[in-house]
Amino acid sequence: SAVISQKPSRDICQRGTSLTIQCQVDSQVTMMFWYRQQPGQSLTLIATANQGSEATYESGFVIDKFPISRPNLTFSTLTVSNMSPEDSSIYLCSVEGQGYEQFFGPGTRLTVL
Amino acid sequence: ILNVEQSPQSLHVQEGDSTNFTCSFPSSNFYALHWYRWETAKSPEALFVMTLNGDEKKKGRISATLNTKEGYSYLYIKGSQPEDSATYLCAPRFGNEKLTFGTGTRLTIIP
Repeated sequence: SAVISQKPSRDICQRGTSLTIQCQVDSQVTMMFWYRQQPGQSLTLIATANQGSEATYESGFVIDKFPISRPNLTFSTLTVSNMSPEDSSIYLCSVEGQGYEQFFGPGTRLTVL
Repeated sequence: ILNVEQSPQSLHVQEGDSTNFTCSFPSSNFYALHWYRWETAKSPEALFVMTLNGDEKKKGRISATLNTKEGYSYLYIKGSQPEDSATYLCAPRFGNEKLTFGTGTRLTIIP
C-alpha cells in the first residue's frame, strides 16, 4: 500500500484567487491522479500526472484552469485557478498499486466564497 | 458517459442490524470493480477489488458479491457497528481504463 499526504487539508478562498494543493507519496510511483468530488456528485477524475511529461486531462477539464506539476516520482501539485463557488469541492490525489488497487490521499476540502 | 448507480443514496441502520446496498453498472467491457469506504476527513479505504463473475469477497463483517453479466454488485454489512458509518463507493473499471465512481451510499449507524 501507499501512504499519501495532502496539504492543505481544507481552505476557504475568495472568488478569483488560486489555490495550490500538494500531494506527497511515501514511495516512487509512475502515475498520480487528481480527482474532485463536488457536493452530491461522484468522484471525478481531473487528470493523470506522469513524471517528466505533461498531464493528461479528462473531458471537461483544461490545463489553464487546473495546472498540474509533477517534478519527481513522489510529489505532485494541482492548482485551482481563478476560483469560483462552483470549484468548491473535495480534491483528492491518488496512486495506483499492484493488483488494480488505487490508493487515495485524505483530500483537500475547498470552499470558495 | 458510463452510468454507475448506487442505491440507496443514504441509509440509517440500527446498531446490530445487518444491511446491504447495490452498485449497478454497464456490463459491457467490464474489467474490475472496486469498493471503497470513505469516512469524513479520511482517505477512501479500499475494501475489495473484484474481477470475476460470481466473485464473493469477505473482510470481517463486510462482504461483497459480483454479477458481471447483469452488471451489479452487492455490499453486505453484518451486525452493523458505529464505526461502519461512512460513505461506501463503488467504482467499476472498463477495459482496464480509469475508475468510474458512483455517487456512493451514505451509511449512518444509530447506536
